[in-house]
Amino acid sequence: AQSVAQPEDQVNVAEGNPLTVKCTYSVSGNPYLFWYVQYPNRGLQFLLKYITGDNLVKGSYGFEAEFNKSQTSFHLKKPSALVSDSALYFCAVRARNSGNTPLVFGKGTRLSVIA
Amino acid sequence: EAGVAQSPRYKIIEKRQSVAFWCNPISGHATLYWYQQILGQGPKLLIQFQNNGVVDDSQLPKDRFSAERLKGVDSTLKIQPAKLEDSAVYLCASSRNRVSSYNEQFFGPGTRLTVL
Repeated sequence: AQSVAQPEDQVNVAEGNPLTVKCTYSVSGNPYLFWYVQYPNRGLQFLLKYITGDNLVKGSYGFEAEFNKSQTSFHLKKPSALVSDSALYFCAVRARNSGNTPLVFGKGTRLSVIA
Repeated sequence: EAGVAQSPRYKIIEKRQSVAFWCNPISGHATLYWYQQILGQGPKLLIQFQNNGVVDDSQLPKDRFSAERLKGVDSTLKIQPAKLEDSAVYLCASSRNRVSSYNEQFFGPGTRLTVL
């Protein structure tokens, strides 16, 4: 079975500081990994994904994530946080070659960037 | 391109009543998903369609929930009768290719359902 863990319910960071939102996963075989962001009263918005190749993936709005197979992690990072980055962040995983297995989401991490 | 459209945005009903949600995916997207997002949790897949066929409805409570995607375009999700625990945001998403691909999903704004 596939699963995603986001160990922090809330992350607080000062504007201009680097941010990290943690994600670990469990799948059989190799994963496809995704990060989505949800702003208030809006649907989820795709940020970035890991398919294969380079372990460092760059996405929208200056976000990046690093795939670490040995630690089964896919942490989201940004070098300098903005107040506008405050939102709910979801990590998701699907096993490669898994047929119709659906995308499984973590419970989300609320990021608060303080001016 | 226009995004995924959903209506209504908000709905309040009493338990045992019925309700229906509508979704229009991005034009040309073959795959459509319905998710349930309970407060404080991540989205949970209810059903996924490939064109107008059901690919997976294993997590759909079929005694009360039903969904269809006639003509392989827009879709409706119905709950009849509703229970208190159905209070959640119902998200519709679409993606370009087949379900098992690595393509990202595009989400609509959701319908917030409150069951009293």
